[in-house]
Amino acid sequence: EAGVTQFPSHSVIEKGQTVTLRCDPISGHDNLYWYRRVMGKEIKFLLHFVKESKQDESGMPNNRFLAERTGGTYSTLKVQPAELEDSGVYFCASSQDPGSGANVLTFGAGSRLTVL
Amino acid sequence: AQKVTQAQTEISVVEKEDVTLDCVYETRDTTYYLFWYKQPPSGELVFLIRRNSFDEQNEISGRYSWNFQKSTSSFNFTITASQVVDSAVYFCALSEPDSGYSTLTFGKGTMLLVSP
Repeated sequence: EAGVTQFPSHSVIEKGQTVTLRCDPISGHDNLYWYRRVMGKEIKFLLHFVKESKQDESGMPNNRFLAERTGGTYSTLKVQPAELEDSGVYFCASSQDPGSGANVLTFGAGSRLTVL
Repeated sequence: AQKVTQAQTEISVVEKEDVTLDCVYETRDTTYYLFWYKQPPSGELVFLIRRNSFDEQNEISGRYSWNFQKSTSSFNFTITASQVVDSAVYFCALSEPDSGYSTLTFGKGTMLLVSP
């Protein structure tokens, strides 16, 4: 079974530019999550999709961030315009419907974003 | 205040030593889940264990063991006879009912370096 795939693995952009990160979840996983780790800090939740719907976007930092999941398959996270504080590693994760109990999330390797 | 505290930023040991990674959490809920994830140099977060708050039995899986102490709100992770391949960043995480148990609150992680 293929894991969670993220692209690109590393992106370096200038402040004010736009970047789009892509996540391909495990096939059949309805739940898709975006998390971010700024250097030296905790991994923080950004948002949660169930299929194509945003279940929880309480962690999105501001309106410069736009996440989409068309058709309930892959997801994109766009940052426009990027600021210096957006630098970090963006993780995507997916999970099946847990039934009872907490989800076990399968994470990708992350997309490292560097804003200069 | 941090909800999940991993006080050890970095630990260095020599191969075959035992090492314990500490995790202290904070929650008002009686039902919650605790997790440990491993992040090897390849970058992805690898699931290690999920523990329900009602199950206080310690768990052992090969060289790995987990000690869950509700009285001290701790969920510590011990690696016995450490190996170089154990070198990674280890994250403790908490899942609570207010998110429907669908999101994780992470600690800052502990970097473990095992040298030969």
